[in-house]
Amino acid sequence: AQSVTQLDSHVSVSEGTPVLLRCNYSSSYSPSLFWYVQHPNKGLQLLLKYTSAATLVKGINGFEAEFKKSETSFHLTKPSAHMSDAAEYFCVVFASGGSYIPTFGRGTSLIVHP
Amino acid sequence: EAGVAQSPRYKIIEKRQSVAFWCNPISGHATLYWYQQILGQGPKLLIQFQNNGVVDDSQLPKDRFSAERLKGVDSTLKIQPAKLEDSAVYLCASSSRFGQEGNSPLHFGNGTRLTVT
Repeated sequence: AQSVTQLDSHVSVSEGTPVLLRCNYSSSYSPSLFWYVQHPNKGLQLLLKYTSAATLVKGINGFEAEFKKSETSFHLTKPSAHMSDAAEYFCVVFASGGSYIPTFGRGTSLIVHP
Repeated sequence: EAGVAQSPRYKIIEKRQSVAFWCNPISGHATLYWYQQILGQGPKLLIQFQNNGVVDDSQLPKDRFSAERLKGVDSTLKIQPAKLEDSAVYLCASSSRFGQEGNSPLHFGNGTRLTVT
């Protein structure tokens, strides 16, 4: 079985400050992990993916995430928030060797203050 | 490449009526997914196809929901009869590969927003 937990339902930051969105996963197999972003009334867009290559993954719009197997975490970070980053963010786990069903977290709403 | 196409974009129906959603995946993508996203929640997988076969439909309410993917390309999701709690955004996604060879990212359409009154 696999599961994913997004530890914060809402994260509020000021423009220009760092962003940290936390994600923990549970999987019996080597996972593939993804972060998606969803702007209001829009579809889900892939931010970045981890598929067992480098543990530090760089994505679009300055986001990056680090896969830490010992902590079963895949936290999303960005050095400096921009107003346009305000959106809903979803962490997704996809277990290779398991059920091959992509499982979404409940989402974290990022609020950016001017 | 063209993205995942979904229609309609919006749909309003009364409870007990029926509704159908259509999805055209990215060309060449063998795997197709239908997700239900209720306001304020993460997407929940309803059904996953590999070509025209069903991989998983364990969370599909089969008494009212049905889905098909004829010829392994386009897919249709139907609800009959609809209930108030079916109000949600229905998302279609496709990917090129999943399984022991590795899992490709999902590419999503813009979704269909269903309101049941």
